[in-house]
Amino acid sequence: AQSVTQPDIHITVSEGASLELRCNYSYGATPYLFWYVQSPGQGLQLLLKYFSGDTLVQGIKGFEAEFKRSQSSFNLRKPSVHWSDAAEYFCAVGAGRGDDKIIFGKGTRLHILP
Amino acid sequence: DAGVIQSPRHEVTEMGQEVTLRCKPISGHDYLFWYRQTMMRGLELLIYFNNNVPIDDSGMPEDRFSAKMPNASFSTLKIQPSEPRDSAVYFCASSAGVLSGNTIYFGEGSWLTVV
Repeated sequence: AQSVTQPDIHITVSEGASLELRCNYSYGATPYLFWYVQSPGQGLQLLLKYFSGDTLVQGIKGFEAEFKRSQSSFNLRKPSVHWSDAAEYFCAVGAGRGDDKIIFGKGTRLHILP
Repeated sequence: DAGVIQSPRHEVTEMGQEVTLRCKPISGHDYLFWYRQTMMRGLELLIYFNNNVPIDDSGMPEDRFSAKMPNASFSTLKIQPSEPRDSAVYFCASSAGVLSGNTIYFGEGSWLTVV
């Protein structure tokens, strides 16, 4: 079955520093991959998605992610974080095989130091 | 577009009471999802519908949970009787179809506390 692993439960970075959040997936074919962000007390907002084509995907708020098939990874990056980026980040994979649901990782909570 | 609308936003109820959560998907979306979020288990898919028909309810925890979608613009998730372990945030989401390259859009959630 498809699954998503986010190995880091918490990450702390200083404001202005670069960020990389890790995501590994398990899937037999080319996956549909997503990154969502959840601010406290809010729902989930899509940052970016990969369906096919260019493996480097640009998203909102200055985020990007790179699909690496050889590593089964879809890591999220941002060159310089802002205090407003403090939130929880979820990686997700489409279940595929004619199934329209997506499976979420457990999330990574990002803390920003001033 | 108003987005996915959920009600109530917050509910506190006593153990044993019936709880009904409501959702209005984005107009034109023919997929509707119910997720539950807890600290221990993260985001779990409970059930999803396509064109008002339940497609996959394998995530529904037990018979106390039921979900309906009587029409394209409304869905309910009911818990009867409720238990303290049902305390969680319940999200409704909708989509025009992931396999068609579309995004799943989430509501702001219904925060349920069962005491």
